[in-house]
Amino acid sequence: QVQLVESGGGVVQPGGSLRLSCRTSGFTFSDYGMHWVRQTPGKGLQWIAFLRFDETNKYYANSVKGRFTISRDKFRNTLYLQMNSLRPEDTAVYFCARQHGDYYFDSWGQGTLVAVSS
Amino acid sequence: DIQVTQSPSTLSASVGDRVTITCRASQSLTNRLAWYQQKPGKAPKLLIYKASILESGVPSRFSGSGSGTEFTLTITNLQPDDFATYFCQQYNALWTFGQGTKVEIK
Repeated sequence: QVQLVESGGGVVQPGGSLRLSCRTSGFTFSDYGMHWVRQTPGKGLQWIAFLRFDETNKYYANSVKGRFTISRDKFRNTLYLQMNSLRPEDTAVYFCARQHGDYYFDSWGQGTLVAVSS
Repeated sequence: DIQVTQSPSTLSASVGDRVTITCRASQSLTNRLAWYQQKPGKAPKLLIYKASILESGVPSRFSGSGSGTEFTLTITNLQPDDFATYFCQQYNALWTFGQGTKVEIK
């Protein structure tokens, strides 16, 4: 069955960096666009980044543009999110999600918590 | 950016009730709207896509309707397993989520 497992979350100081991973299985990873979404109690769910299946297009939310980079390794079936210049407002649970061909999200990981605090 | 306004934020109901949640978009989505259910500590789960198509395995007591800028999720004969938070999502232009509706036990 389809599985997405995030890892790499933790506590980091403001201005620091963190790399999240999303290991996938149960489907042909290179056939699907993938997303990162974050969730906070105050702001709910926020889409933050997308990478097309063939890596020809990337999109970012304005709040993370220039600081976060989405990438993928088709040989490891893994999606990544490199997060630099972290701010307290980046504190959230981060989910990876698989995009159905019609652009909604049909599978999600269980999430990994990122806390930005001094 | 497309804004999505979801209401109500909280809804109190009893088992067997019929409940309705609404999402309004700042511009037309045609039918490019999805609904998700989320339970505490868990990932969101897809319920409905293209405004009204039920995802495989989702009980038929869930239904979606609407087009353009106004959409509804209806749950008929509410079951104990349905007490959760529900989110809408537009995917017509990038992706935006509604603020969520928590369905709680009355």
